[in-house]
Amino acid sequence: GAVVSQHPSWVICKSGTSVKIECRSLDFQATTMFWYRQFPKQSLMLMATSNEGSKATYEQGVEKDKFLINHASLTLSTLTVTSAHPEDSSFYICSARPSVWAQVRQHSPLHFGNGTRLTVT
Amino acid sequence: GQQVMQIPQYQHVQEGEDFTTYCNSSTTLSNIQWYKQRPGGHPVFLIQLVKSGEVKKQKRLTFQFGEAKKNSSLHITATQTTDVGTYFCAGLSNYQLIWGAGTKLIIKP
Repeated sequence: GAVVSQHPSWVICKSGTSVKIECRSLDFQATTMFWYRQFPKQSLMLMATSNEGSKATYEQGVEKDKFLINHASLTLSTLTVTSAHPEDSSFYICSARPSVWAQVRQHSPLHFGNGTRLTVT
Repeated sequence: GQQVMQIPQYQHVQEGEDFTTYCNSSTTLSNIQWYKQRPGGHPVFLIQLVKSGEVKKQKRLTFQFGEAKKNSSLHITATQTTDVGTYFCAGLSNYQLIWGAGTKLIIKP
């Protein structure tokens, strides 16, 4: 089945540093990838939609200069949390939609990475 | 804006009892998807419903999509410890996936 690899699975960093999270689709191409943030005991909050070869689309309230997204290939999207602060500590999850579904938009199950738990001290 | 309300937030059941979670959308959906997230894990796709009034079964899980394509439910018969986790619905509307808040299934010790 479709596998999405997310790395690292957890990271601890100091306040003011930047952290890069990678999301790879291992056995399929993904024109579109999504980045979510999940606080404890809460639902997924969509941060941005990453499109291969073009700029990411950010949801309202998400700072694009703080959460840099790059989708340089059909199998890789990265999220960089710049100048991290303790309030950025969270569980970040990526998901990918196989490109084959792009032509039939109604049928688009998402495949999720394992998530990255970021702790900023 | 578009919302998908999911209730209840938590449900405590004895092992062997049934469990149900409900989702209600403010707008008509193109389809609805269900995901399960185990504690500490990531959401895993369970099923997708597309047709009005559709009912699908996966062993002890029964998924329904309302006639108006605005509500959906997931029913688990005779829960087992392996069913523990949070179940999310996500409705597709205008090519956007709108997530419910999730229902956490807790098995009483």
